[in-house]
Amino acid sequence: DVVLTQTPSILSATIGQSVSISCRSSQSLLDSDGNTYLYWFLQRPGQSPQRLIYLVSNLGSGVPNRFSGSGSGTDFTLKISGVEAEDLGVYYCMQATHAPRTFGGGTKLELK
Amino acid sequence: EVQLVESGGGLVQPGRSLKLSCAASGFTFSNYYMAWVRQAPKKGLEWVATISTSGSRTYYPDSVKGRFTISRDNAKSSLYLQMNSLKSEDTATYYCARHSGFDYWGQGVMVTVSS
Repeated sequence: DVVLTQTPSILSATIGQSVSISCRSSQSLLDSDGNTYLYWFLQRPGQSPQRLIYLVSNLGSGVPNRFSGSGSGTDFTLKISGVEAEDLGVYYCMQATHAPRTFGGGTKLELK
Repeated sequence: EVQLVESGGGLVQPGRSLKLSCAASGFTFSNYYMAWVRQAPKKGLEWVATISTSGSRTYYPDSVKGRFTISRDNAKSSLYLQMNSLKSEDTATYYCARHSGFDYWGQGVMVTVSS
């Protein structure tokens, strides 16, 4: 199975600070169809996960544009340009290029 | 508005069975692959099962293959997860989600496997 390694595991930030989360894959996530099936999710405390980013860099419906995704192959990054209080929670990356779908271990974003 | 509402969770003894349901609304259910994802307490996310639009194809990770069965009733816009031979490590919150990019998730239902 593909292993996704997220760093850091805990991220402390102040409101307005820009932060980045890394997701590294044990295999290339570039599919034979030319797509890279890498997604980002946010799980706020007590809530179900919410999709933020799909196909590496596409913003999900209703997701603020302070979120952005980038990367290719095995290295991917989620950036938040100006953290807001509602952004606190655990962030997960997920790959759907290789079966089975797998998730990263999560990055907890907390207030400093 | 897309809604996914799970039900059927609870406390069950090891080795017993439980069936989860997920009621979908706000979209044409029969047009979408659907999936179950679980999250053990204080742990990360694990994909559990996927089913094709017609129900003719199903997919599972090795951790549940042979014990769990995903099914659907398109006439009722409902998704199911039959869980047999339950183990303590199956204790988790179970979410149903649209398989395509996991763009919508339900609120989750808790399953506790304990004697």
